[in-house]
Amino acid sequence: QVQLVQSGAEVKKPGASVKVSCKAFGYTFQTFGITWVRQAPGQGLEWMGWINTHNINTNYAQKVEGRVTLTTDPSTSTAYMELRNLRSDDTAVYYCARNQGDYGDYYFDSWGQGTLVTVSS
Amino acid sequence: SYVLTQPPSVSVAPGQTARITCGANNIGSKSVHWYQRRPGQAPVLVVYGDSDRPSGIPERFSGSNSVNTATLTISRVEAGDEADYFCQVWDGSGDHPVFGGGTKLTVL
Repeated sequence: QVQLVQSGAEVKKPGASVKVSCKAFGYTFQTFGITWVRQAPGQGLEWMGWINTHNINTNYAQKVEGRVTLTTDPSTSTAYMELRNLRSDDTAVYYCARNQGDYGDYYFDSWGQGTLVTVSS
Repeated sequence: SYVLTQPPSVSVAPGQTARITCGANNIGSKSVHWYQRRPGQAPVLVVYGDSDRPSGIPERFSGSNSVNTATLTISRVEAGDEADYFCQVWDGSGDHPVFGGGTKLTVL
């Protein structure tokens, strides 16, 4: 059974960094890409970036580019999202999701449970 | 950038049919996917490729896509269907997903 399990909630001060993990179960990790999405309070889903777990190519959203880094550890089937220089508007639930479908037409067939990141002084 | 427009809310009585739209220029040429997100839970894929259902999703959920509007149809709506619904396409030029703003389905 495919499952993505994320790390727990975090509270950070402005200017700090956070690193969220996403551990995959039930499939061959390097066969499917991982996308990171966040949802701020009262807002819709916002794409942050995605990583090809096979060749480690990444693509980042312009809004967070320069502050976000996506990585993987194939030995533990885990993907990571690090966001630096946190601001109050980074407060959101962060999700990882498994890419499914053909390249150029991905959708997301399995999601992590979400990680609440709160940025507050 | 490509923008997907959804109505903020849709209300329907139990047993009736809910239709949630996702509008964009020439969306009929793209493959549209739909997600359900209940409060406090992770999103769940309910329709992919315009009209296909993942295993485990009831037949009451169906999708269509034509010209400038894609539609998620939920037949015989139940209280448990109350959730936010998001449409999504893949922006090939930017190589990233695009999400609609979401529609809150209220079961009266």
